[in-house]
Amino acid sequence: DGGITQSPKYLFRKEGQNVTLSCEQNLNHDAMYWYRQDPGQGLRLIYYSQIVNDFQKGDIAEGYSVSREKKESFPLTVTSAQKNPTAFYLCASSKSGTGGYEQFFGPGTRLTVL
Amino acid sequence: GEDVEQSLFLSVREGDSSVINCTYTDSSSTYLYWYKQEPGAGLQLLTYIFSNMDMKQDQRLTVLLNKKDKHLSLRIADTQTGDSAIYFCAERTGGYQKVTFGTGTKLQVIP
Repeated sequence: DGGITQSPKYLFRKEGQNVTLSCEQNLNHDAMYWYRQDPGQGLRLIYYSQIVNDFQKGDIAEGYSVSREKKESFPLTVTSAQKNPTAFYLCASSKSGTGGYEQFFGPGTRLTVL
Repeated sequence: GEDVEQSLFLSVREGDSSVINCTYTDSSSTYLYWYKQEPGAGLQLLTYIFSNMDMKQDQRLTVLLNKKDKHLSLRIADTQTGDSAIYFCAERTGGYQKVTFGTGTKLQVIP
């Protein structure tokens, strides 16, 4: 079955540590995205990538980094520079182009920084 | 810039209709979407409408688009307890993939 996976589902880290969240898709989608979700604030775009080896900052990229070395994978690193990293992180993918292509979402990773 | 707004909460009785509203600011929106999020899960697309349409119906779901007022609504007929979730509207603008999501409306269905 095609889909998008994120691991782990729950992640706990100490303050000051970097942490990497995994996102993998087997939908053959060119575009991938990372969002952060906080209660009452909806989804905010962190980074997106329209093609392998290319990515752009979203609205709240400070304190985060990404890579896109393979089409299937778009890992997100939450660095110690991110001031308030505790949140629910969602990865998504979609086809590229000018059609109304929906974004397919993974199940999310809940990060708690202690 | 893009800004998408929704009320945060809606409560309805089982069997009634639910109407979830959304306003957006970017008049160049090409596609508008409704996603559903169940607790602790990712988002799932419910339906979408192209900006040159006024209405789209899909079983219990009806989407209305008022482009002049930049207002989008989602009507769920015969609301069931399984419809309890957070509903996000989203707009896509321009020729690339960026989509702006609203704040989400939490729908509570009372048995």
